[in-house]
Parts: sequence; C-alpha cells; structure tokens
Amino acid sequence: DAGVIQSPRHEVTEMGQEVTLRCKPISGHDYLFWYRQTMMRGLELLIYFNNNVPIDDSGMPEDRFSAKMPNASFSTLKIQPSEPRDSAVYFCASSLRGLVNEQFFGPGTRLTVL
Amino acid sequence: RKEVEQDPGPFNVPEGATVAFNCTYSNSASQSFFWYRQDCRKEPKLLMSVYSSGNEDGRFTAQLNRASQYISLLIRDSKLSDSATYLCVRENYGQNFVFGPGTRLSVLP
Repeated sequence: DAGVIQSPRHEVTEMGQEVTLRCKPISGHDYLFWYRQTMMRGLELLIYFNNNVPIDDSGMPEDRFSAKMPNASFSTLKIQPSEPRDSAVYFCASSLRGLVNEQFFGPGTRLTVL
Repeated sequence: RKEVEQDPGPFNVPEGATVAFNCTYSNSASQSFFWYRQDCRKEPKLLMSVYSSGNEDGRFTAQLNRASQYISLLIRDSKLSDSATYLCVRENYGQNFVFGPGTRLSVLP
C-alpha cells in the first residue's frame, strides 16, 4: 500500500497568494483528517471528514481556510489569502472506522509564507 | 488548563536506561488514549493504544489512571532508535481528538 500521499511536499509562497494542499488517503479508509503542526501550538486538528462529508471543522482557524473532499480518494486544503502566520507543516491522515482507530499520516507539506 | 499536557523535555538518557513519561488530561469524559511517536521532520506514527487495564508491547508499557487523569509510557532498555518525540492523544467519545505537545527523548550512546 502506498500510504497517505500529500503534495506538494514543500511550498514557498508570498503573502496574499492562494495555496492549495492535496491529499490522497489510503484506499478504503473512510475518515480523513487535516492537521497543522507548529513549534508554538503543536499538532492541531483542523477538520475531519467521514465518507467525504465534513464532520467537525471547529479547528479551522478562520475563513481564509477551506477544505473539500469531492470523492473518497482526494481532498484539498486551501488557504486564500495566505499570511506568514500560516507557515507550518500540514499533515493529512486517514483511518478506518473513526477516531478510535489508528490514524495513518502522510509525510506532510511544509508551507512557508513570506 | 490545556486539554492534554506533557513535559516537553528533552529527556536525555543513556542507552539501556528506563525512562517514563506522563501525560495529563483535563476532560474526565475522555474515552480512548494513544501514544504516537514522531521522528524529527517526519509524520507521527501510532506507537500503542492505552487500555484501562494497561498494556505492554515489548519494551514499552502504557498505563491509564482515570482517577488522577493521566496516562504514562514506560520504555525499558532504551535504544538509540527510541530517540523521538512522543505524543499522547486523547479521544473523546468520537467528538474530538487532541494531541499533546509531545515529550522529546534523546537516547545517548
């Protein structure tokens, strides 16, 4: 199994630009999670989906952030417009049958907003 | 008080030592707990789940103390390869999933 795939692995952009992060979960997994990790705040859950439906987006920091899951094999996290404080590592994870089961993380996207 | 708290460390221990980390949580309704391991500049990976009765996996032992609201991880006979950040995780009846800030362990030769 290829595991969770994220792209790009690194992104450097300028303040005000739109950023789109992509994730392909493990085939057959019905839960997908987006996390953000910084030194100051640690690993934070932003949003998660069950069967492509957003269940809890209370962790999304503000309206500049949006996430979609158009099908079971693809999700995006978009930041528009980006700001320097959005610089972080963004992880996507997937699991089978929910929060109580192991989450498999992708390698992450390291975002730098200048 | 933060939902999940951990001593950030670093814990610097020699090879072969026994080391223990604690993690405290504030929500008494929390149901499930886990330990994840994260290597430097890598993604987190599940180390072990934490059961009410405690559980052991080789050199690793996890304990849950609901009365005092903490979980622990014990590593025996530390190896150089155990050097990583250990994240405790609390799940609350399927409502949310919270990672602690992590405890950094360095095992020294």
